[in-house]
Amino acid sequence: GQQVQQSPASLVLQEGENAELQCNFSTSLNSMQWFYQRPGGSLVSLFYNPSGTKQSGRLTSTTVIKERRSSLHISSSQTTDSGTYLCAMDWGNMGYKLTFGTGTSLLVDP
Amino acid sequence: EAAVTQSPRNKVTVTGGNVTLSCRQTNSHNYMYWYRQDTGHGLRLIHYSYGAGNLQIGDVPDGYKATRTTQEDFFLLLELASPSQTSLYFCASSDRGANERLFFGHGTKLSVL
Repeated sequence: GQQVQQSPASLVLQEGENAELQCNFSTSLNSMQWFYQRPGGSLVSLFYNPSGTKQSGRLTSTTVIKERRSSLHISSSQTTDSGTYLCAMDWGNMGYKLTFGTGTSLLVDP
Repeated sequence: EAAVTQSPRNKVTVTGGNVTLSCRQTNSHNYMYWYRQDTGHGLRLIHYSYGAGNLQIGDVPDGYKATRTTQEDFFLLLELASPSQTSLYFCASSDRGANERLFFGHGTKLSVL
């Protein structure tokens, strides 16, 4: 079936360092989304990015459909960036369902 | 930002018990989803709906029923709860399915003893 692979599974940074999180998918897709999950559990939408590059503050998402990958770049990391980052893809023709990766756990030390 | 409210936040029940998880969204979104999240599996889709009275089966529907009573309200029912259904449950909504950003509730932690 359709698979979404995220890497790395976990990452530890010193505050101020940059991070590059990867998401690779096994089939062609219609769209890609990135989410942030707070340590307490709730999920926040970061990007809806079916292709190309989008930026929001210190976060940049790049999706390259032909290469079946999407990345999330975090610049100048802060301790408040700690948490889990999830990517999700929509591969279906009807555009109704997302398949999630298992996430990257990020810890930013002060 | 879209508001999705889940209740209860925490629930403990016994094997064989009945549980209803509630979800309300206040942004008139068409699509609503129920996911469960388990370590090692990520988020998995249980059921979803694209409007009042509509119900679609997700990837892991066994043991779950769902009902969309209104545009705003989506319920997940566990009629004979089992320990394997111990999980963190999330409700989400969007206006145009996966072709638009999903907005999630805060989650319901369910423990089946």
